[in-house]
Amino acid sequence: NAGVTQTPKFRILKIGQSMTLQCAQDMNHNYMYWYRQDPGMGLKLIYYSVGAGITDKGEVPNGYNVSRSTTEDFPLRLELAAPSQTSVYFCASTKLIGTEAFFGQGTRLTVV
Amino acid sequence: DAKTTQPPSMDCAEGRAANLPCNHSTISGNEYVYWYRQIHSQGPQYIIHGLKNNETNEMASLIITEDRKSSTLILPHATLRDTAVYYCIVRAADNFNKFYFGSGTKLNVKP
Repeated sequence: NAGVTQTPKFRILKIGQSMTLQCAQDMNHNYMYWYRQDPGMGLKLIYYSVGAGITDKGEVPNGYNVSRSTTEDFPLRLELAAPSQTSVYFCASTKLIGTEAFFGQGTRLTVV
Repeated sequence: DAKTTQPPSMDCAEGRAANLPCNHSTISGNEYVYWYRQIHSQGPQYIIHGLKNNETNEMASLIITEDRKSSTLILPHATLRDTAVYYCIVRAADNFNKFYFGSGTKLNVKP
């Protein structure tokens, strides 16, 4: 099992550009999450999904969109990138609601 | 969800036990205590979780006070590779929307 795989690892965007951060898991987990982590801070939940076709907002959803067409994939879309979205983005998944979360290695995004 | 309070940093000598405290005085009866750690800039790694009984696994032990208002994560024999930020998270098992990470404790294991 590869676990949770995120691509790309690094990306520089110009203000106003758009991009999609990819996240895939091969553990057949129903629950998937997107977090962002600003320098020196903890993680903040952006969006989460309880299964294919079902998504919901977390703590900081503004400026982002998600979709969940399959169990394996949970892409995060940034529309009209802003400097405030410069951060490290982590994707995670859990098999059941209360069980341990598996995290990807992160995508470091810089918006200039 | 209950908020947690952790010291911003702690030091520990290599080979000694590292005891990381966490206060969660507003914890509800159905909320679990989870511990994760983040080594350098990697993705967080699950360590352990518990409801009210003490728990132990191959990585660590979790001691929860009887009133459940605080807990301690114990790394029995800290190594240099345990240097990381340790996060204490409190949430209900069925409330994944509130899986919030605070600022954590930076544990520095020194030779």
